[in-house]
Amino acid sequence: QVQTVQSGAEVKKPGSSVKVSCEASGGSFASYTINWVRQAPGHGLEWMGRIIPIIGETSHAQTLQGRVTITADKSTGTAYMELTALRSEDTAVYYCTFGSPYYIDSWGQGMLVTVSS
Amino acid sequence: QTVVTQEPSLSVSPGGTVTLTCGLRSVSVSTSHYPSWYQHSPGQAPRTLIYGSQSPASGVPDRFSGSIVGNRAALTITRAQADDECDYYCALYMGRGIWVFGGGTKLTVL
Repeated sequence: QVQTVQSGAEVKKPGSSVKVSCEASGGSFASYTINWVRQAPGHGLEWMGRIIPIIGETSHAQTLQGRVTITADKSTGTAYMELTALRSEDTAVYYCTFGSPYYIDSWGQGMLVTVSS
Repeated sequence: QTVVTQEPSLSVSPGGTVTLTCGLRSVSVSTSHYPSWYQHSPGQAPRTLIYGSQSPASGVPDRFSGSIVGNRAALTITRAQADDECDYYCALYMGRGIWVFGGGTKLTVL
C-alpha cells in the first residue's frame, strides 16, 4: 500500500483559496488513481474529484464545478487539490486517496481546512 | 444530481448479523457501478472494506462481505463486535470518472 503524507491544517478567509498537498511513497505514483474526498462537520463523505497522473485525466463533482482543480506532480509524487472562492461550508477534513479507477485502496490521514472570517 | 441512498441508522446485537444497503433512486445498482464500502470512525481516516461489489480490501476480516441483492448493493456484517460501531459509507461509480457517496449508515452495536 502507498504511504501518504498530507499538508497541515489551514485556516482561510471566505473568498480565498486553499491548496492541499498529498505526498505519496511506496508505490508507482503515476499509475494510481488519486481521489479527493472531504467530510464537513456533521456531514457524510463527499467525493470531490480525481486524477490519473499517468494519462493526465481529471474529473470532478458537478457541485464543485469551476472551483476545484486537481493536479499531480509525477516528479515529486505529490498530488494537489485547490479549492477557490471558499465558503464556510467548505470547512471540512480533506482526504487524498489512492487506488485504481474503480476503487479506493488507501486513505491519507486527512487535513482540516477551516473557513472563517 | 445523483442521489445514493443508505439507511440512516441500523442496530445489531453483539454476535449478530446486519445488512446495510446502498441504492439509486432511478436505476438498479449493478456491478458496473463498482459498489464499494468504507468504514469510518470519528477522528480517524476512513477504511476501505469492500470494492467491486464483493472483493474484500487487504486485511479486512471475513466477517464483512459485499453483494448485490435485488437492485441494491449490500454490506453484511456477521458476528458483530462492539468496535464495529461507527459509520459506514457506500460509493458508486457513475461513469466518466465520477463517484458518488451515499449519506452513510450509523451502526449501533447493542
